[in-house]
Amino acid sequence: ILNVEQSPQSLHVQEGDSTNFTCSFPSSNFYALHWYRWETAKSPEALFVMTLNGDEKKKGRISATLNTKEGYSYLYIKGSQPEDSATYLCAFSSNAGNMLTFGGGTRLMVKP
Amino acid sequence: NAGVTQTPKFQVLKTGQSMTLQCAQDMNHEYMSWYRQDPGMGLRLIHYSVGAGITDQGEVPNGYNVSRSTTEDFPLRLLSAAPSQTSVYFCASSYGVQGATYEQYFGPGTRLTVT
Repeated sequence: ILNVEQSPQSLHVQEGDSTNFTCSFPSSNFYALHWYRWETAKSPEALFVMTLNGDEKKKGRISATLNTKEGYSYLYIKGSQPEDSATYLCAFSSNAGNMLTFGGGTRLMVKP
Repeated sequence: NAGVTQTPKFQVLKTGQSMTLQCAQDMNHEYMSWYRQDPGMGLRLIHYSVGAGITDQGEVPNGYNVSRSTTEDFPLRLLSAAPSQTSVYFCASSYGVQGATYEQYFGPGTRLTVT
């Protein structure tokens, strides 16, 4: 069983604050790293899939970076809005890329 | 496109009963998978399939069977329900046989309670 850790477990910020979360994963046999956004009572939705060391992806105010050699990825949210409140999941795939191991998630709450 | 659909949305079973959770997708995705979500545990992979006729075990396969007779459908069978199987179950699909390389499309989930 692969160990995928996310920190912090939860985060409360004020509207307009910028924030970031961390996903740690095994640095050997890396294949892909995913980020998902999961709103309460909905299904997880993909934000990014990254496959190369040094990858940086951006979607609006949300961006992510990847360091496969040291086994971590950062998710950044610039100028948090109440609608950004959700659980953010990362997931790691190794070797042949057929299995995803999810971290426990970071729950973000943005206060107006 | 309907995307990934799951039925039922809610189910209550007694210990020892069997049932099938249905999952279908209309995106012609080769890769399909089942996860369970428990408080504090995140999503854990139960079984996955890289195409019709091909299935494999994930992290927590015990007590569950799957089959993949068509590209569209990937049912999950609980053989003899136990209280430990109380959970929310998500089906997901993605493009390509190395499906974990591509973004996953999740269904709405099935909330199962075993008493």
